[in-house]
Amino acid sequence: GQSLEQPSEVTAVEGAIVQINCTYQTSGFYGLSWYQQHDGGAPTFLSYNALDGLEETGRFSSFLSRSDSYGYLLLQELQMKDSASYFCAVPYSGGGADGLTFGKGTHLIIQP
Amino acid sequence: DGGITQSPKYLFRKEGQNVTLSCEQNLNHDAMYWYRQDPGQGLRLIYYSQIVNDFQKGDIAEGYSVSREKKESFPLTVTSAQKNPTAFDLCASSTTRTGDQPQHFGDGTRLSIL
Repeated sequence: GQSLEQPSEVTAVEGAIVQINCTYQTSGFYGLSWYQQHDGGAPTFLSYNALDGLEETGRFSSFLSRSDSYGYLLLQELQMKDSASYFCAVPYSGGGADGLTFGKGTHLIIQP
Repeated sequence: DGGITQSPKYLFRKEGQNVTLSCEQNLNHDAMYWYRQDPGQGLRLIYYSQIVNDFQKGDIAEGYSVSREKKESFPLTVTSAQKNPTAFDLCASSTTRTGDQPQHFGDGTRLSIL
């Protein structure tokens, strides 16, 4: 089966930088995605990495190391609105449109 | 605007009762999905469908059934066999391109057993 591990909670200060780690175990690898979910809301897509390295999208960046089965989400210039849960995810059973397997999520708490 | 509409937002069911959750999308996506999110947990896949008239079980399909008669609709029936007292059920859709296409989620239905 597949599994993803991420910290349950991370605390950071407004304006700072925070990194949320994710390690995964899969039978085949087709990419690592990140989603953001505010309390009571729907998950929204943040980023996707299929190849090793860093992908940058504004204040958010995502990194992947396939040899280490590891990735992270980097959030810079933290704002209070970034307080949310962040989930890493891999394709459920292959590379097609067959759903995602999610980690249990990291709750990001931002202090003023 | 394109998106996914789920209804109802809240639903209470009695033990032994079957209920159906609606999911409609106007994004012209081929693939649709149902996930359940338990408190403090990640999302787990219930069912998915890549094309009309075809669907597959996910990790937690027991106690659920689905249909996919139209491309834009993927209703989920929660049967009396599903014993989970509370759940947040989320519908999503995507294109069928491999991996890099994001899933778009509806706002979810909160389901509770009376």
